[in-house]
Amino acid sequence: QVQLKESGPGLVQPSETLSLTCTVSGFSLTSYGVNWVRQPPGKGLEWMGTIWNDGSTDYNSALKSRLSISRDTSKSQVFLKMNSLQTEDTAIYLCARDRVNYGSYYFDYWGQGVMVTVSS
Amino acid sequence: DIQMTQSPTSLAASVGESVTITCLASEDIYGSLVWYQQKPGKSPQLLIYGATILEDGIPSRFSGSGSDTQYSLKINSLQPEDFASYYCQNGLSTPRTFGAGTKLELK
Repeated sequence: QVQLKESGPGLVQPSETLSLTCTVSGFSLTSYGVNWVRQPPGKGLEWMGTIWNDGSTDYNSALKSRLSISRDTSKSQVFLKMNSLQTEDTAIYLCARDRVNYGSYYFDYWGQGVMVTVSS
Repeated sequence: DIQMTQSPTSLAASVGESVTITCLASEDIYGSLVWYQQKPGKSPQLLIYGATILEDGIPSRFSGSGSDTQYSLKINSLQPEDFASYYCQNGLSTPRTFGAGTKLELK
């Protein structure tokens, strides 16, 4: 069955770089895109970016200068790297599979998320 | 970028009641509107895409409507498990903006 699982450090120092991995199973990264979404504690969802099935990427313009999404299709892994972290980047980071039907894109499967705290 | 304005921010209702949540897009998204439910401590769950299409396994008491820039999620005969947060999303283009969310609480 389709599964996504995020992994990475729970604590990052301010100004440092966050590296997260989303490991997927039950589908191929060459057939589906994967998104990163984050949610600060007690707040709403923020779309961060997408890596499409062809390997191209789209980013939230507010994060674009700090954010990079890549993948290793042989390992079924998608990577997020974001630099210059600040306390406001403290959030749960989630990956989600992208689908499209009837002209509507949507996220049909989600990982459980990983909590990242930015603190010294 | 398309902005998504969701209302109300919070809503209190009783089991058995019906509620409606609305989402306004800043421009026409041609029916590409998505709704998610999120329970505390859990990941979001897809409810509806294409404004009206119920995801497999979602109860029929959930329904979506709307077109152009105005969309709604209706929940009939609220069940205890429906008390959660709900988010709309632009499903037309990037950025895939979410609404700010609606917290549905038990009255």
